[in-house]
Amino acid sequence: GQQVMQIPQYQHVQEGEDFTTYCNSSTTLSNIQWYKQRPGGHPVFLIQLVKSGEVKKQKRLTFQFGEAKKNSSLHITATQTTDVGTYFCAGPYSYGKLTFGQGTILTVHP
Amino acid sequence: DVKVTQSSRYLVKRTGEKVFLECVQDMDHENMFWYRQDPGLGLRLIYFSYDVKMKEKGDIPEGYSVSREKKERFSLILESASTNQTSMYLCASSLLSPGRIGSPLHFGNGTRLTVT
Repeated sequence: GQQVMQIPQYQHVQEGEDFTTYCNSSTTLSNIQWYKQRPGGHPVFLIQLVKSGEVKKQKRLTFQFGEAKKNSSLHITATQTTDVGTYFCAGPYSYGKLTFGQGTILTVHP
Repeated sequence: DVKVTQSSRYLVKRTGEKVFLECVQDMDHENMFWYRQDPGLGLRLIYFSYDVKMKEKGDIPEGYSVSREKKERFSLILESASTNQTSMYLCASSLLSPGRIGSPLHFGNGTRLTVT
């Protein structure tokens, strides 16, 4: 079964509102990765978190890795229409494999 | 910049046909992957390869096979296409094992396969 659960599946926001997607793992992870897929595009790597409790920022995006290394979140402050897309978390559950969450589809209304 | 190229953007095949999806990467990456993407299910790993002629089953290998005769090329084969294999297929590569620090996946543009 799915080892990484991601919620919500869909999120509709007005431009300027904040957005958060959450990723929960059934087991402790050595690291977690986040990818973004624009409509009609392919997933593009955003960031990798490694340390327990780690917080990283990329402009309006804030990524967190939980203390137990079993959950993670991506928060976008003041969304813009360019943020539209599907956000995936992914973890290495066994050597050589990266398992993805179901993704959160973000829609931003101007 | 890494480039992963998938031979077809759209493909329509009939049930029972043998289908080949081709993927080429230009960065001398060791690892290559085939995922399929379906709404609500995310990306599911079909097969991966960590070296030439080496292959490993992913989470949903049934109905598929793969070939890696050269380092830069990884092919996905549907021996006898069925309608439930209608999906978006994404090829990816990584320098090292994707769980390693600093070794993310680089994806191709995808092939949308329709089996009728």
